Amino acid sequence: AQSVTQPDIHITVSEGASLELRCNYSYGATPYLFWYVQSPGQGLQLLLKYFSGDTLVQGIKGFEAEFKRSQSSFNLRKPSVHWSDAAEYFCAVYGGATNKLIFGTGTLLAVQP
Amino acid sequence: DAMVIQNPRYQVTQFGKPVTLSCSQTLNHNVMYWYQQKSSQAPKLLFHYYDKDFNNEADTPDNFQSRRPNTSFCFLDIRSPGLGDAAMYLCATSTTQGTEAFFGQGTRLTVV
Repeated sequence: AQSVTQPDIHITVSEGASLELRCNYSYGATPYLFWYVQSPGQGLQLLLKYFSGDTLVQGIKGFEAEFKRSQSSFNLRKPSVHWSDAAEYFCAVYGGATNKLIFGTGTLLAVQP
Repeated sequence: DAMVIQNPRYQVTQFGKPVTLSCSQTLNHNVMYWYQQKSSQAPKLLFHYYDKDFNNEADTPDNFQSRRPNTSFCFLDIRSPGLGDAAMYLCATSTTQGTEAFFGQGTRLTVV
């Protein structure tokens, strides 16, 4: 069965500091991986995705993520966080055999001045 | 322009009174998803359609039903809402297997 683990429930960083949000997945084949961001009361916006090819993917708003098959990870990074990045971040995995898009439990990011 | 539209944005219903949430898309995507998201939790997949093929999650309560009369529209019916069904309900679409899912703004359901 496919699953996603985001070990950090809540993270606080200072504005301008770097950020890394962790994501580990479980899936028997090559997964399709996504990071979404959600602001309070809003729907989900796609930040970036990995299907195949280059394991370092660039997304919107200055985010990037690296797929590491050996570690079953797809961590999200940003070199310098802005106050507007405060939101909840969800990692998700799509399984071609199941047609399902499954989300991790999310990481709530707070940005302090 | 909004591509996945959910109506209404906010819905208040009485305990036990049937309620229907709607989702429409202008993307002509063949896959549509319904998720339930409770406060501070991840979206939980309730069911999805691949074209007209309906796929129910094993742990989705029987109280939840869905209809997809055509490619553009999908409905979530809650036959007898309980207090525990209060949540944000998210609709999403995607083209074919594995591609990006586009989400609507969600419907916030309150049960009184």
